Amino acid sequence: GESVGLHLPTLSVQEGDNSIINCAYSNSASDYFIWYKQESGKGPQFIIDIRSNMDKRQGQRVTVLLNKTVKHLSLQIAATQPGDSAVYFCAETVNYGGATNKLIFGTGTLLAVQP
Amino acid sequence: DTGVSQNPRHKITKRGQNVTFRCDPISEHNRLYWYRQTLGQGPEFLTYFQNEAQLEKSRLLSDRFSAERPKGSFSTLEIQRTEQGDSAMYLCASSPTSRELRSPLHFGNGTRLTVT
Repeated sequence: GESVGLHLPTLSVQEGDNSIINCAYSNSASDYFIWYKQESGKGPQFIIDIRSNMDKRQGQRVTVLLNKTVKHLSLQIAATQPGDSAVYFCAETVNYGGATNKLIFGTGTLLAVQP
Repeated sequence: DTGVSQNPRHKITKRGQNVTFRCDPISEHNRLYWYRQTLGQGPEFLTYFQNEAQLEKSRLLSDRFSAERPKGSFSTLEIQRTEQGDSAMYLCASSPTSRELRSPLHFGNGTRLTVT
């Protein structure tokens, strides 16, 4: 099968540990952020989102933190499982005043969960 | 399955041929997007439809590329005179129109194009 992990930053964790994946964004006008998970041969799958008027949002086993001061986004995964192994992308929507809702994706991170 | 559907899943074509991909969005979603993804990279925006109107096109979308959404439901992406550099995964996504301008895009599993 294909490998989507070539040349990607890689985070290797032990099963059961917590994972933290980081993302830096460049546009201070971005007002909406999403984390996606992408498995080999599949499209990106929505994990969690956060608006710029928030600094933290929690889901099931996942937490997203937003630091607008340093333009940094992170995804925390609690009790990482083998099924979490995938490439993770952060994406942002820049508020140009339009309604496109276009997402701009960052460089992905390959999460490798060791049993 | 009520997710975004893309066909075909894989397409191998010879350089110079034309190819067409189809996307069926989630039925109640008015917004439809095409993205392109090459190996090891994040998806790159190509174009956006609100119902049948194509409202935004990326500079990546050369004149060999054309996208349509004639009835505001399914969409097609055609590439004419394919080049080897067109080899990529072509992803379609949709999202609902709501009072919240910002909502997640729901992606299909893409069409993998290989130009030989």
